[in-house]
Amino acid sequence: ETGVTQTPRHLVMGMTNKKSLKCEQHLGHNAMYWYKQSAKKPLELMFVYNFKEQTENNSVPSRFSPECPNSSHLFLHLHTLQPEDSALYLCASSHRPAGGAGTGELFFGEGSRLTVL
Amino acid sequence: AQSVAQPEDQVNVAEGNPLTVKCTYSVSGNPYLFWYVQYPNRGLQFLLKYITGDNLVKGSYGFEAEFNKSQTSFHLKKPSALVSDSALYFCAVRPDSNYQLIWGAGTKLIIKP
Repeated sequence: ETGVTQTPRHLVMGMTNKKSLKCEQHLGHNAMYWYKQSAKKPLELMFVYNFKEQTENNSVPSRFSPECPNSSHLFLHLHTLQPEDSALYLCASSHRPAGGAGTGELFFGEGSRLTVL
Repeated sequence: AQSVAQPEDQVNVAEGNPLTVKCTYSVSGNPYLFWYVQYPNRGLQFLLKYITGDNLVKGSYGFEAEFNKSQTSFHLKKPSALVSDSALYFCAVRPDSNYQLIWGAGTKLIIKP
């Protein structure tokens, strides 16, 4: 149990569907992240939120829409996805000082395995 | 471009033997270095990190890593492998405190009984 919970663990959706991934952290961290993990590739950072404010968006297509209502919850809204978006989506949290990425480690959830048909 | 390389897709080791998982990097400045492990169907877990000081860093589950500045490497090691060490291992580098992590592609470690 890492203190970061992701739901659902598995999701199958068609290209015209709208779905959402949810992440919740119980660690008191101030930063939350979405990563995309594809086989045999480095993790791709998608979004970073620090104290509920989005601080990074790494050129992610608009069909992925993040939402961070508070420091403990993070959502990734999905719509009109493509088959190449099929991957494991990982949420992580960390303590992050103001103005920097910090030196602390990331705490990951177990991921949401997304399949787009 | 800044990058992290894990030159081996897969490493096979017999149980009880020493193991090494390699990581080299090409980044500017004085980087912070990390290793994470991912067990099947799980998220990533932090193993250890190097920020400054002693080049040999000890982490969880008996793992250690050696920072070599001249070779820009941060290899993960364990003196005696266990079958339960079988997992996917990721090296990550933060060029400085104001930069996001740069990840390697991962190395699958298989420990055979």
